[in-house]
Amino acid sequence: DGGITQSPKYLFRKEGQNVTLSCEQNLNHDAMYWYRQDPGQGLRLIYYSQIVNDFQKGDIAEGYSVSREKKESFPLTVTSAQKNPTAFYLCASKGDSQETQYFGPGTRLLVL
Amino acid sequence: AQSVAQPEDQVNVAEGNPLTVKCTYSVSGNPYLFWYVQYPNRGLQFLLKYITGDNLVKGSYGFEAEFNKSQTSFHLKKPSALVSDSALYFCAVRDKGGYNKLIFGAGTRLAVHP
Repeated sequence: DGGITQSPKYLFRKEGQNVTLSCEQNLNHDAMYWYRQDPGQGLRLIYYSQIVNDFQKGDIAEGYSVSREKKESFPLTVTSAQKNPTAFYLCASKGDSQETQYFGPGTRLLVL
Repeated sequence: AQSVAQPEDQVNVAEGNPLTVKCTYSVSGNPYLFWYVQYPNRGLQFLLKYITGDNLVKGSYGFEAEFNKSQTSFHLKKPSALVSDSALYFCAVRDKGGYNKLIFGAGTRLAVHP
């Protein structure tokens, strides 16, 4: 899992509640990504950021929001508009001259 | 559209036997291909990648993969499987559309039996 940390490991969300997943990296990578993993479906891109103060929607951005105020941090908020949030969420980062994305340990989000 | 297919949901291998996990891709131009492994409730660990050069790529933990352009395949192999290799394996291709998005296959569960 290298220098990427995600917290918490498990997160419980109540109906109508927004929750925020943390992703921090100390690899000095410019690009950061959020993926959602559902059983049997591989990973799907939610949001990505190539640089501080800039981010773009991925394939399944509805019901999610992000910010990138610091190079090291890329938090993901799961809003109440996301009707099926139960999944495993993975954060990744990539250096400028690299092709490989490196992943954090993940956060499992469950709905109460 | 670019895509990755992993045709087997699960592969069963006896310890000590060679293993192959299959991956085929559909992408325009020259692909950037990756293999990752995931252990239960953990993030993805990078195993190896093909960008250019030799078609046989060697990676971590004794794994290797062979890029075959004519068959659009990038199968993961290991000469002698270990029980500890049991995990979920993902093949991915870089999206040529930009921002380095990875397009993942659905994953193949490898079970190595003693």
